[in-house]
Amino acid sequence: QSALTQPASVSGSPGQSITISCTGTGNDVVVYNYLSWYQQLPGTAPKLLIYDFTKRPSGVSSRFSGSKSGNTASLTISGLQAEDEADYYCCSYGGSSPYVVFGGGTWLTVL
Amino acid sequence: QVQLQESGPGLVEPSQTLSLTCTVSGGSISSGGYYWSWIRQPAGKGLEWIGRIYTRGSTNYNPSLKSRVTISPDTSKNQFSLRLTSVTAADTAVYYCARAKEWEEPSDAFDIWGQGTMVTVSS
Repeated sequence: QSALTQPASVSGSPGQSITISCTGTGNDVVVYNYLSWYQQLPGTAPKLLIYDFTKRPSGVSSRFSGSKSGNTASLTISGLQAEDEADYYCCSYGGSSPYVVFGGGTWLTVL
Repeated sequence: QVQLQESGPGLVEPSQTLSLTCTVSGGSISSGGYYWSWIRQPAGKGLEWIGRIYTRGSTNYNPSLKSRVTISPDTSKNQFSLRLTSVTAADTAVYYCARAKEWEEPSDAFDIWGQGTMVTVSS
């Protein structure tokens, strides 16, 4: 059974940088599939932040960046702002079963 | 600007079938190179992918839900639908529809989401 593991929560102070990890298990979905990151503000639909591990869609702040090392993908948010307080999800998107897998989500608290 | 809007009953009785529709505006679901997915989120919990339909009509489903799920297109109305049979309280969630592109950037990620619709399974 493939899975993506994220820390349940992270925190940081305004202006600092934080990193959220996403580790693949099972069929190494992170290594072989397309990995994206989403921000979900309370009560709203998720928003795409990063796709294909490191790429940023048009309109997304450069404070958000993605990286990959081995079987772990990471999302880094630099220059933390109060409005960054949200849930963050990683997602593996592929062409074979189980096709799409989401991480459990990480709640970011801006202190 | 493509937009997605979910619609359907907010309350479904246990053992019945949940049916939702996603209406696509600003673009055609028949256009090549797009996957149209359903994703759900129980209150206070994470996201769960349910399944997707490809432009040409092929479908893929979450293995854990496959026996109960059908996603189908209605190209005349520019909509795609979700049917989930034999529902229980565990199917209570906010249901989202979302789009992913196959080859245009940003590819292989959900770039457009509907606002979500809450479905409660209860008698």
